[in-house]
Amino acid sequence: DGGITQSPKYLFRKEGQNVTLSCEQNLNHDAMYWYRQDPGQGLRLIYYSQIVNDFQKGDIAEGYSVSREKKESFPLTVTSAQKNPTAFYLCASSRTKGQPQHFGDGTRLSIL
Amino acid sequence: AQSVTQPDIHITVSEGASLELRCNYSYGATPYLFWYVQSPGQGLQLLLKYFSGDTLVQGIKGFEAEFKRSQSSFNLRKPSVHWSDAAEYFCAVGERSNDYKLSFGAGTTVTVRA
Repeated sequence: DGGITQSPKYLFRKEGQNVTLSCEQNLNHDAMYWYRQDPGQGLRLIYYSQIVNDFQKGDIAEGYSVSREKKESFPLTVTSAQKNPTAFYLCASSRTKGQPQHFGDGTRLSIL
Repeated sequence: AQSVTQPDIHITVSEGASLELRCNYSYGATPYLFWYVQSPGQGLQLLLKYFSGDTLVQGIKGFEAEFKRSQSSFNLRKPSVHWSDAAEYFCAVGERSNDYKLSFGAGTTVTVRA
């Protein structure tokens, strides 16, 4: 079955450490997205990519970085510059921009 | 700035009763509208979408939504709720002029009582 796989499901970060969240899709979608979800705030866009080797900042990109070297992969790095990284992170993809987005099951990041 | 408002943080409904979740948005042009549902610890599942045409759209799991341009609303309805409908529901709005990026409401949590 086609879908979006996020790993790991749970991740713990130490102070000053960078961590990378994985997102892989086998839907042959061009566009991919990273969102952060905090209780009571809905989803906020971190980064998005509409095509391989290209990506744009979303509303809360500070302290995060991404790459899009392959169509099916869009990893998110939470850097030590992100001072409040504890959240639920969701990856999504869509066939093209403007089409409905399909979501992975998320990664919950916590601070040790 | 674009904004999406879901006025109800939490709704409790009896099984078999009807459900309506409100969504209001502020955009200049014709938006793309979506409703998603999320179970605890899971990702979001698309319930339905509106791009153009008939303003009453049907979705999965017996849900429907109506786009009312004059009220800038896209309310979600279900005639008879099942216990499995207990979840968090998100309204999302995208706009062509904003590169189709989605803005999400804060969500409405639905509790279903027996």
